[in-house]
Amino acid sequence: GQQLNQSPQSMFIQEGEDVSMNCTSSSIFNTWLWYKQDPGEGPVLLIALYKAGELTSNGRLTAQFGITRKDSFLNISASIPSDVGIYFCAGRKMEYGNKLVFGAGTILRVKS
Amino acid sequence: DGGITQSPKYLFRKEGQNVTLSCEQNLNHDAMYWYRQDPGQGLRLIYYSQIVNDFQKGDIAEGYSVSREKKESFPLTVTSAQKNPTAFYLCASSRDRNTEAFFGQGTRLTVV
Repeated sequence: GQQLNQSPQSMFIQEGEDVSMNCTSSSIFNTWLWYKQDPGEGPVLLIALYKAGELTSNGRLTAQFGITRKDSFLNISASIPSDVGIYFCAGRKMEYGNKLVFGAGTILRVKS
Repeated sequence: DGGITQSPKYLFRKEGQNVTLSCEQNLNHDAMYWYRQDPGQGLRLIYYSQIVNDFQKGDIAEGYSVSREKKESFPLTVTSAQKNPTAFYLCASSRDRNTEAFFGQGTRLTVV
């Protein structure tokens, strides 16, 4: 398979802090998606990005589709305890039949 | 409510037995997917189907089989040929191969 490089692997932050995570690849993607997964549950879609340079917000979440189409970042502002979970990036590229490729995830832990 | 339903939530299997995981969606989506999730790893694609009566192997198809006889249903069979079947299995669907995918709640399979 073709994995995306997602970083950091885990974060342990203070409640109220801003969080940033990113995904990079050596290949060009035409779609970037960000998901959050709670323990024992399926991932839930947070933000979908379809155009290079696109910046999209969903409440306290903001994500951007990198201008080179090889990366994306997700920011969470003013983190709260319920932000705890695993965040995955996922991308689609035509050369891979538009199948979704996933990063390994960023584990977010928040100190209350 | 529209969504993706996976059943059962937990499944135990004896070594050497085949077992089938159910995935049903009422979103009228054309594309459906099966992923496997192991601790500390991203989601890996087992099989996908872009339309009824058609499916393709993903990155880790060995030891698995699927069928897509109805648009709403995409069952996954874990066969005895799968050497390490204990994992969390996730089903997803998307309107087509270019749009975002939505996930079910997952099935945790344990071989005993």
